[in-house]
Amino acid sequence: GENVEQHPSTLSVQEGDSAVIKCTYSDSASNYFPWYKQELGKRPQLIIDIRSNVGEKKDQRIAVTLNKTAKHFSLHITETQPEDSAVYFCAHKPNVLGNQFYFGTGTSLTVIP
Amino acid sequence: DVKVTQSSRYLVKRTGEKVFLECVQDMDHENMFWYRQDPGLGLRLIYFSYDVKMKEKGDIPEGYSVSREKKERFSLILESASTNQTSMYLCASSHSPGTGSISNQPQHFGDGTRLSIL
Repeated sequence: GENVEQHPSTLSVQEGDSAVIKCTYSDSASNYFPWYKQELGKRPQLIIDIRSNVGEKKDQRIAVTLNKTAKHFSLHITETQPEDSAVYFCAHKPNVLGNQFYFGTGTSLTVIP
Repeated sequence: DVKVTQSSRYLVKRTGEKVFLECVQDMDHENMFWYRQDPGLGLRLIYFSYDVKMKEKGDIPEGYSVSREKKERFSLILESASTNQTSMYLCASSHSPGTGSISNQPQHFGDGTRLSIL
């Protein structure tokens, strides 16, 4: 019940287009959903997160939506730029009292200039 | 800004050696984590710790052990290195300010150690 499925595994978009990455989880107790961006050779860095008491959060060109009923959450990047090219990981925290995250397998995003 | 420092970026060891990977964080975080990252498998949790001298097994603890003698330092130990432990190892830390939704805090990662076992 803790695993999270992430799709697609690879994604190529033209510069300026939008990119959407979707993650599905099964534990209804999950209440925290962060997204990480990992550029080549660098550490994963938090880009946005959402808590279960909200359905959407936006930060400039990046947004995350959460559907608790359907148990999925998505990352939306609008007006993509070449520097958005990276591997993106979703994660969720299934235990309200615990601190353990479960990560998706990653999406390699390529933005074509 | 949170700083998580891993002692080595690249490390080459031989089969059967005992290997130590060190991680230090400077933000007084309660929680620390060790992951390994392999292509197509994402980040898999090896061990984590929520307090000094406390440790919990993650999803793939076999062949590894950990040590947390001080709050800021979390060490990963490969007792007898094998070639299937060649991987990128990532350390992370997070804060636990309390219970409820406020306890949902992000994990902050180090730069990783690329370990090769020959």
